[in-house]
Amino acid sequence: EVQLLGSGGALVQPGGSLRLSCAASGFTFSGHAMSWVRQAPGKGLEWVSTISGSGGNTYYKDSVKGRFTISRDNSKNTLYLQMNTLRADDTAIYYCAKMSLSYIGVTGNFDYWGQGTLVTVSS
Amino acid sequence: QSVLTQPPSVSGAPGQRVTISCSGSSSNIGSGYVVQWYQHLPGTVPKLLIYGDSYRPSGVPDRFSGSKSGTSASLAITGLQAGDEADYYCQSYDSSLTGFVFGGGTRLTVL
Repeated sequence: EVQLLGSGGALVQPGGSLRLSCAASGFTFSGHAMSWVRQAPGKGLEWVSTISGSGGNTYYKDSVKGRFTISRDNSKNTLYLQMNTLRADDTAIYYCAKMSLSYIGVTGNFDYWGQGTLVTVSS
Repeated sequence: QSVLTQPPSVSGAPGQRVTISCSGSSSNIGSGYVVQWYQHLPGTVPKLLIYGDSYRPSGVPDRFSGSKSGTSASLAITGLQAGDEADYYCQSYDSSLTGFVFGGGTRLTVL
């Protein structure tokens, strides 16, 4: 059974930093690209970032480029999102999601989702 | 403002058929990029409902079906059940934004 356990969400001040983690099990972690998708309060889903199965390729939404860094440790079956220079509009539930492909392909879909971790950016 | 446009809400009586539209443009659906649909039930995590425009993952009832034409896609739900009450999102890839995009979501109410 695929399991994705997100953690690391917290209340942080604007300009602060936070690192999210997502522990994966139930599938060959290195064989799948992984993503972060967020949902702001009362809003819809928004793709944030994707990393290939090997970790060699990454994709970011424009508004987080240069501030967020996605990474993975395939030896620990864990996905990360380092978030710096946080802004109020980064406030959201952050979901980690497994992708159907090992590479970052335009046909990829998010076939399993973790339970989400809440990030609140406020002074 | 989402790149993919969905109606904010739809409703139907138990047993009826409803459709949810997803309107895109030439840089996403109109370029042939596949469309996915996700179901987000209250208090749960999103679930993949349709992938590759019209394919259902194992375990998804055939009451759910997807289609695509031109710059738009649709999700149809037949035999509506109370348990279908949820938010539904379409998703594709956008070449202008070089990233994945979601619709704004549609809240389905079963009357």
